[in-house]
Amino acid sequence: GAVVSQHPSRVICKSGTSVKIECRSLDFQATTMFWYRQFPKQSLMLMATSNEGSKATYEQGVEKDKFLINHASLTLSTLTVTSAHPEDSSFYICSATSGGAEKLFFGSGTQLSVL
Amino acid sequence: GENVEQHPSTLSVQEGDSAVIKCTYSDSASNYFPWYKQELGKRPQLIIDIRSNVGEKKDQRIAVTLNKTAKHFSLHITETQPEDSAVYFCAASMGGNTPLVFGKGTRLSVIA
Repeated sequence: GAVVSQHPSRVICKSGTSVKIECRSLDFQATTMFWYRQFPKQSLMLMATSNEGSKATYEQGVEKDKFLINHASLTLSTLTVTSAHPEDSSFYICSATSGGAEKLFFGSGTQLSVL
Repeated sequence: GENVEQHPSTLSVQEGDSAVIKCTYSDSASNYFPWYKQELGKRPQLIIDIRSNVGEKKDQRIAVTLNKTAKHFSLHITETQPEDSAVYFCAASMGGNTPLVFGKGTRLSVIA
């Protein structure tokens, strides 16, 4: 299957700092990327949908000024957690598609720990 | 929007027995229903999926059934093995570039 690379896999940061997470589709052009957040022992909750060249669409309750999403090219989307706080500690995972849900591929996830 | 309910939240079975996980969805416009297996700290892995024009699909020990009228679908794992132990998620999508909506997950433990 197609490959979606996500970096970093793990990050520990101090409260108040910003963290950038990258999601790359390595062998296909991702017209749409989705960002999910997963708290321990819970499900994947959709944060936002990003289409290349457009502003991201955020789910209700997700602060767009706190979770900045950029999808500047067909192979790269970034999620920046600004002024991170301990409650932002979570597993963040991206997914990318070039042709709908049946061709959706997940990144390997980023475990964010904010001290 | 779409809402996916999944049951049970935990399931323990003896090795060799069958396991069944059930999901319901709310939006009749959903037409694609994948099942994922996720191990701790890893990405979800697609194990089987079904489209709304099909009632059942099987792949070796894994099968999925879909009842569009009742808006529910189920995962069946036969002859379970310890390596089947993981968290399983069902999901629903309306197709195109709409996102997957996930159920809350089922933690399956297969006891040797």
